[in-house]
Amino acid sequence: KNEVEQSPQNLTAQEGEFITINCSYSVGISALHWLQQHPGGGIVSLFMLSSGKKKHGRLIATINIQEKHSSLHITASHPRDSAVYICAVLPKRGSNYKLTFGKGTLLTVNP
Amino acid sequence: KAGVTQTPRYLIKTRGQQVTLSCSPISGHRSVSWYQQTPGQGLQFLFEYFSETQRNKGNFPGRFSGRQFSNSRSEMNVSTLELGDSALYLCASSPDRGPIYEQYFGPGTRLTVT
Repeated sequence: KNEVEQSPQNLTAQEGEFITINCSYSVGISALHWLQQHPGGGIVSLFMLSSGKKKHGRLIATINIQEKHSSLHITASHPRDSAVYICAVLPKRGSNYKLTFGKGTLLTVNP
Repeated sequence: KAGVTQTPRYLIKTRGQQVTLSCSPISGHRSVSWYQQTPGQGLQFLFEYFSETQRNKGNFPGRFSGRQFSNSRSEMNVSTLELGDSALYLCASSPDRGPIYEQYFGPGTRLTVT
């Protein structure tokens, strides 16, 4: 069983729609990262959070530590948001203190 | 500030050969982490270097190694290449030690082993 599960695996939306991508994990964590990867490979860090909520432009990330769950929301989606979104968790300090990644969610936003 | 740079961007090697990949972090960043991305396994952590010392290592065989220089530039080496080593290799830098800090990723080196 993967330590980090993302859903859905694939998501197709129309421009302007509200998007939600979910990430569930099984271990206690120090932090959770949301990453964006466009075709061609480049990865951009969107958020790093350990509690609560963060907002950057049209992107909002939330985390519920008790429920071991995080969501990434995109408001007013645009075709340029089409990318793979990857969740990564950092367990609490110990021998396994390294990022573990979800498999990613492929988002396609159609005009 | 210039971003993280990786060289080369593309590489084709033959089974049994060895390869060295290079990563230059953002100026002032002291931590460099390496990751492997494959379609089957996704992203996996290889190792992290901070102040020229390997601080953490993922579950990869000893054929994968790395080092960091005094200017924080890092190299990773893969010896005795196998077909399964074909992947996108990404490095990421951060201002200080550990993935508790935001990771700034380079564009990656796409390695193909034939």
